[in-house]
Amino acid sequence: GNSVTQMEGPVTLSEEAFLTINCTYTATGYPSLFWYVQYPGEGLQLLLKATKADDKGSNKGFEATYRKETTSFHLEKGSVQVSDSAVYFCALALSGGSYIPTFGRGTSLIVHP
Amino acid sequence: GAGVSQSPSNKVTEKGKDVELRCDPISGHTALYWYRQSLGQGLEFLIYFQGNSAPDKSGLPSDRFSAERTGGSVSTLTIQRTQQEDSAVYLCASSFSAGGTDTQYFGPGTRLTVL
Repeated sequence: GNSVTQMEGPVTLSEEAFLTINCTYTATGYPSLFWYVQYPGEGLQLLLKATKADDKGSNKGFEATYRKETTSFHLEKGSVQVSDSAVYFCALALSGGSYIPTFGRGTSLIVHP
Repeated sequence: GAGVSQSPSNKVTEKGKDVELRCDPISGHTALYWYRQSLGQGLEFLIYFQGNSAPDKSGLPSDRFSAERTGGSVSTLTIQRTQQEDSAVYLCASSFSAGGTDTQYFGPGTRLTVL
């Protein structure tokens, strides 16, 4: 079956530090990959996505590259801000067949001033 | 435009009671999903609606859970004879089309507490 594995949190950083949140996946086909972010008290919202190998998704200073050879989609940001404190979810979805995305467990990020 | 809305935002109930949770998807979105988010457990898929097709109920944890979607728009998730393990945040999401690769738009969730 399909699965998504994220690094466990919480990840605690100081403002302006470099961020990496690891995400690896297993899938029976060729998935699209997503990062969703959930700010406190809110629902999830799409942060970025990539639909094929070597694609790079980017938004709000965050980036992730679809690496088929390592089945990974790690999230990175060069300089985090306090406002980036949230829970980050990696997810995959397959076109055709099942329309049910698979989500990771989420990684909590805490950024201190 | 309006996003996905859910009501109530919080629900506290006693064990054994029935509850109904409501989701209003984005207008024009044909696909609608319900998920359950428990502390530290990520998102658990519950049920999926697409247009007028039969829903995918494969994620419902027991026959106490049911959902309907009226007129291809509003959806109601019903939990009968609630148990303490049903306590969680219930999230609804909609997307424009049936493709699972479409961006999902989430509501803020309903926090259910079963005493």
